[in-house]
Amino acid sequence: EDKVVQSPLSLVVHEGDTVTLNCSYEVTNFRSLLWYKQEKKAPTFLFMLTSSGIEKKSGRLSSILDKKELFSILNITATQTGDSAIYLCAVGSGTYKYIFGTGTRLKVLA
Amino acid sequence: DTAVSQTPKYLVTQMGNDKSIKCEQNLGHDTMYWYKQDSKKFLKIMFSYNNKELIINETVPNRFSPKSPDKAHLNLHINSLELGDSAVYFCASSPYASSGRVGAGANVLTFGAGSRLTVL
Repeated sequence: EDKVVQSPLSLVVHEGDTVTLNCSYEVTNFRSLLWYKQEKKAPTFLFMLTSSGIEKKSGRLSSILDKKELFSILNITATQTGDSAIYLCAVGSGTYKYIFGTGTRLKVLA
Repeated sequence: DTAVSQTPKYLVTQMGNDKSIKCEQNLGHDTMYWYKQDSKKFLKIMFSYNNKELIINETVPNRFSPKSPDKAHLNLHINSLELGDSAVYFCASSPYASSGRVGAGANVLTFGAGSRLTVL
């Protein structure tokens, strides 16, 4: 059965800290891995990863995929209170299916 | 210009009632989805349609019936509502072509704002 596991489940840090969020997966017919940020409403897209070892960056956020070890990490440097959210990892399996992990709830304290 | 819009945003109803949630996307995407997010924020896929054709039907009670009148709309009807149906229901879309062609942008899901259903 396809499975996506995120860790930690929750994390509390102070502004300025660096955090690393993990996503491991076991899926048939891997297509892509996506990271989303969910604040109060809809998940918003952060990154899509399809190839191992290529880092994607957007400001203080970066992510990388390891298709051999079946995991991805999302790094956030110099965290701010606005980074407080649930971070979701989703894996595309087959042509149409996306499987989500349980999410990591991040709280950044001022 | 909302890309994926859902109505209603909030729905409070009694057990046993029947209700519908509507979803429309103006992105020209071919594939639409319904996800259920529980109180622990776990997003679980329910259904997916590609060009009006049902392609994913997870183990969802048959009280839930999706309908896609065209590729821009995907509605969800729920019969005989139960307490456990209380959740946030998210509609999403992605730009897969019916031919199965997959490009870099085809992988990204765009979500609606969600419909919070509360069953009393």
